[in-house]
Amino acid sequence: DSGVTQTPKHLITATGQRVTLRCSPRSGDLSVYWYQQSLDQGLQFLIQYYNGEERAKGNILERFSAQQFPDLHSELNLSSLELGDSALYFCASSVEGSGISPSSPKQFFGPGTRLTVL
Amino acid sequence: ILNVEQSPQSLHVQEGDSTNFTCSFPSSNFYALHWYRWETAKSPEALFVMTLNGDEKKKGRISATLNTKEGYSYLYIKGSQPEDSATYLCAFSGGSNYKLTFGKGTLLTVNP
Repeated sequence: DSGVTQTPKHLITATGQRVTLRCSPRSGDLSVYWYQQSLDQGLQFLIQYYNGEERAKGNILERFSAQQFPDLHSELNLSSLELGDSALYFCASSVEGSGISPSSPKQFFGPGTRLTVL
Repeated sequence: ILNVEQSPQSLHVQEGDSTNFTCSFPSSNFYALHWYRWETAKSPEALFVMTLNGDEKKKGRISATLNTKEGYSYLYIKGSQPEDSATYLCAFSGGSNYKLTFGKGTLLTVNP
């Protein structure tokens, strides 16, 4: 158990719908990262937040958005869902991530949310 | 587009065998190389973070080496056990120290 929690574990929805995935980082971690794992693809980095602020952005679609709240939990919002959005979505957290400390911190992954778009 | 390549894609070994696999990454703009272990139905678990050319890290029977000049890292498992069966992922960090680009992994199966 990494200490990172994600809800829900599974989500089945229809095309065109909007869903919200939630992540709570490990106690004390200020950074949250979101990844997408599709069939035949490696883990794809979507976005990172540090202490409430967006820090780094990957290939995140415009239909997707995220935020990190004052209590440090994060939500990933996926809208206008398409069949191709079906994937495993992971959240990870790390202690550092401010951009000030020169390190590449280990990331601790949550159990993931499996999204199925029908 | 950053290419992080892992080989082989999959590997079957017998219990007790030693094995190794490779991660190739861009040699320019290197910041760090991560190794993760991902068991089926679980989440990826961090093994090592390596930053210096020539770095060697060890955790029990698993070790890793890093060559940043030529852009590769090796992961070694000594005396494989069935519980080592997992997908081993490497991830490259270049420039931005927080954005990781993952390879597709090497799936290791250790037969008892």
